[in-house]
Amino acid sequence: ETGVTQTPRHLVMGMTNKKSLKCEQHLGHNAMYWYKQSAKKPLELMFVYNFKEQTENNSVPSRFSPECPNSSHLFLHLHTLQPEDSALYLCASSQEESRDTEAFFGQGTRLTVV
Amino acid sequence: GNSVTQMEGPVTLSEEAFLTINCTYTATGYPSLFWYVQYPGEGLQLLLKATKADDKGSNKGFEATYRKETTSFHLEKGSVQVSDSAVYFCALTAYSSASKIIFGSGTRLSIRP
Repeated sequence: ETGVTQTPRHLVMGMTNKKSLKCEQHLGHNAMYWYKQSAKKPLELMFVYNFKEQTENNSVPSRFSPECPNSSHLFLHLHTLQPEDSALYLCASSQEESRDTEAFFGQGTRLTVV
Repeated sequence: GNSVTQMEGPVTLSEEAFLTINCTYTATGYPSLFWYVQYPGEGLQLLLKATKADDKGSNKGFEATYRKETTSFHLEKGSVQVSDSAVYFCALTAYSSASKIIFGSGTRLSIRP
């Protein structure tokens, strides 16, 4: 148990479906992240939120839409995905002001697009 | 810009062998350095860290020393076990952007009984 919880753990969706990934942390952190992990690119930063504001979008396609309603919750809304979007999606959180503290990761959502 | 380079995998060793996974970094100022480990089917978790030059991080028999002169943070363990099989990521955070964690590409380690 790392303090960061992701749901669901596994998701299979068709290319026309709309689904959402959820991440929740109760560590009091103010920065939250979405990462994509696939065989081609081991760990790709997608989005960063500091104090609920998006501070980084690493050229992610618009079919991925993040939402951060408060500092404890982070969502990734998915629509019209492609098979190459199949990957492990990891959420993480950290304390933004301190570079000495580590990031805490959830166990990830294994996404398969069919 | 800031970056982390770590040795390509996969690395396969026999149980009780000595392990070194190389990691070098490029950063402005004085970054903090980390090693994360990802066991099969799990997310990443912190293995050890060092926040200033010459610091040594250690945990579970693993060690890494922050070498500013060579900009390195190599991971070592004297005697590996089958349970150490995992993917290892070197990472840094820079003072200028604490919330941006820069990860290396990961090194897959497999230990044979």
